[in-house]
Amino acid sequence: QKEVEQNSGPLSVPEGAIASLNCTYSDRGSQSFFWYRQYSGKSPELIMFIYSNGDKEDGRFTAQLNKASQYVSLLIRDSQPSDSATYLCAVNMKYSGYALNFGKGTSLLVTP
Amino acid sequence: IAGITQAPTSQILAAGRRMTLRCTQDMRHNAMYWYRQDLGLGLRLIHYSNTAGTTGKGEVPDGYSVSRANTDDFPLTLASAVPSQTSVYFCASTPSPGTTEAFFGQGTRLTVV
Repeated sequence: QKEVEQNSGPLSVPEGAIASLNCTYSDRGSQSFFWYRQYSGKSPELIMFIYSNGDKEDGRFTAQLNKASQYVSLLIRDSQPSDSATYLCAVNMKYSGYALNFGKGTSLLVTP
Repeated sequence: IAGITQAPTSQILAAGRRMTLRCTQDMRHNAMYWYRQDLGLGLRLIHYSNTAGTTGKGEVPDGYSVSRANTDDFPLTLASAVPSQTSVYFCASTPSPGTTEAFFGQGTRLTVV
């Protein structure tokens, strides 16, 4: 069982809607949380990071962190077809030199 | 060089052969990582290095070795390749371990036949 869990999807939303991506993690000592986007055949690219409980907004993206529930989410407002990709949740792993531990990713499809 | 570069971009390798995947960064990042990505399994950590001269094992280290002789380079060696090592390999780096954004190379697609 991976220590970072995501629904694999695919998650399908219509253009203009809000996409909600969820992630849970098992290591209570984790301090840094990241959302990456990966297009097919490409490298992961950072969308957002969050360190503190609560919400963090950046343009159309909002990351939410609840350390008590060990839960982190990503909301994408006004979803566009170009947002169609795999979204990877990543959490730092204290026992592996604070390397990032990735979930398997959630595939998002935004339909026109 | 700008950022983090991997070589080769793709390779077909006969089983039993030795292969070194190269990774070089010019950002003076202290920490470097090797991941493999397989369909349905996501990105899994192979080895990491938090600073030049030190390395550590990740989730799936068996069959792989690394070295970190200097800050910029972090090669990954497959001593005797097996078909199960067919994967896409990503090298990544961060300024400091774990707390900041990881920058990824473009990946190496390796097929072991």
